[in-house]
Amino acid sequence: QKEVEQDPGPLSVPEGAIVSLNCTYSNSAFQYFMWYRQYSRKGPELLMYTYSSGNKEDGRFTAQVDKSSKYISLFIRDSQPSDSATYLCAMSAGNQGAQKLVFGQGTRLTINP
Amino acid sequence: KAGVTQTPRYLIKTRGQQVTLSCSPISGHRSVSWYQQTPGQGLQFLFEYFSETQRNKGNFPGRFSGRQFSNSRSEMNVSTLELGDSALYLCASSHGVPGNTIYFGEGSWLTVV
Repeated sequence: QKEVEQDPGPLSVPEGAIVSLNCTYSNSAFQYFMWYRQYSRKGPELLMYTYSSGNKEDGRFTAQVDKSSKYISLFIRDSQPSDSATYLCAMSAGNQGAQKLVFGQGTRLTINP
Repeated sequence: KAGVTQTPRYLIKTRGQQVTLSCSPISGHRSVSWYQQTPGQGLQFLFEYFSETQRNKGNFPGRFSGRQFSNSRSEMNVSTLELGDSALYLCASSHGVPGNTIYFGEGSWLTVV
């Protein structure tokens, strides 16, 4: 079983819809939780960064972390065609292991105009 | 501010050869990490260098090696290439402390024939 599980999709929704992306994990040592967006043939771009449990909002994006359930989510409001990309959850443990990111498989998202 | 720069962007090698990839981190960043991305396995951590020392290592064979120079630039080397080494190799840089943002480069696309 993988340390981080993420539904690879693909996920296709109409423009303006609310998108929900999720990951589960098994390693209780994870403390830092990230969401990256990756366009085709490009490197991952950081969207959201959360430490421990809680919510974080940035514009149309909201990240949630529930450490008790080992479950993280990313919500995209008012989705746009430019949001079409692969979304990767990533997480790491503390101290010197903080730079070692463990990624989910990535969810391919398409927003239809 | 320049981002993480990787060279070359694309390369084709023959099975059994070796390859060296280069990464220039964001100015001021002392941590450089390398990842392999394939359709089947997703993004997997190779190793991390901090102040010229390997600090973290993933589960890859010894054919994969790296080093970091005093100016924080890093190289990774893959010897005795196999067809399965065909992948996108991503470099990431950060300040190297827990909670800091980790930035990725555009990657080097390696095809082994």
